[in-house]
Amino acid sequence: DGGITQSPKYLFRKEGQNVTLSCEQNLNHDAMYWYRQDPGQGLRLIYYSQIVNDFQKGDIAEGYSVSREKKESFPLTVTSAQKNPTAFYLCASSIEQGNTIYFGEGSWLTVV
Amino acid sequence: GNSVTQMEGPVTLSEEAFLTINCTYTATGYPSLFWYVQYPGEGLQLLLKATKADDKGSNKGFEATYRKETTSFHLEKGSVQVSDSAVYFCALSLGFGGSSNFGNEKLTFGTGTRLTIIP
Repeated sequence: DGGITQSPKYLFRKEGQNVTLSCEQNLNHDAMYWYRQDPGQGLRLIYYSQIVNDFQKGDIAEGYSVSREKKESFPLTVTSAQKNPTAFYLCASSIEQGNTIYFGEGSWLTVV
Repeated sequence: GNSVTQMEGPVTLSEEAFLTINCTYTATGYPSLFWYVQYPGEGLQLLLKATKADDKGSNKGFEATYRKETTSFHLEKGSVQVSDSAVYFCALSLGFGGSSNFGNEKLTFGTGTRLTIIP
């Protein structure tokens, strides 16, 4: 099946630790995105990538890092510098010339 | 900057009632407009979209019309079902160059409206 796969679905992290969320897509999309969802705040863009080996900061990039070494993969690292990392994280992708963004199922990150 | 304001929830309706969820936007340029739906514990799914003024998006009985004069994109459904219970997000997109004429949009979302339908 074509789609966007995020893993893990649920993740717990101790304060001070880095954690990496995986996002893989087999839709052959050029653009990929990471959003963060907090209750009552909708979604906010963390990072996006339009092509392989290139990515740009979104609205709330501080404390996060990404890489785009392969077209189908766009992992997000939540670093210890992120002050409030507990949230629902959504990965998304879109085709280069389309105007519809498709989302993965999301990953819940809880800092304990 | 760009922003989306949508009706605060939660909204609770009886089955077969008429639904309206208001959405207005502010944008520089000419955005595309979207409604996404999020079922419990899942990611977002595109419900419908409209790419230019006066376009009507429709899907699964839901409709929304792109109104440039009122900068609105209200979501409507004539008869809701229990299975429509979800959170609904209004969103706009402008291409990374400031136009919606090409892809790789950057979406701006509203805060979401939780809809609960009672049998």
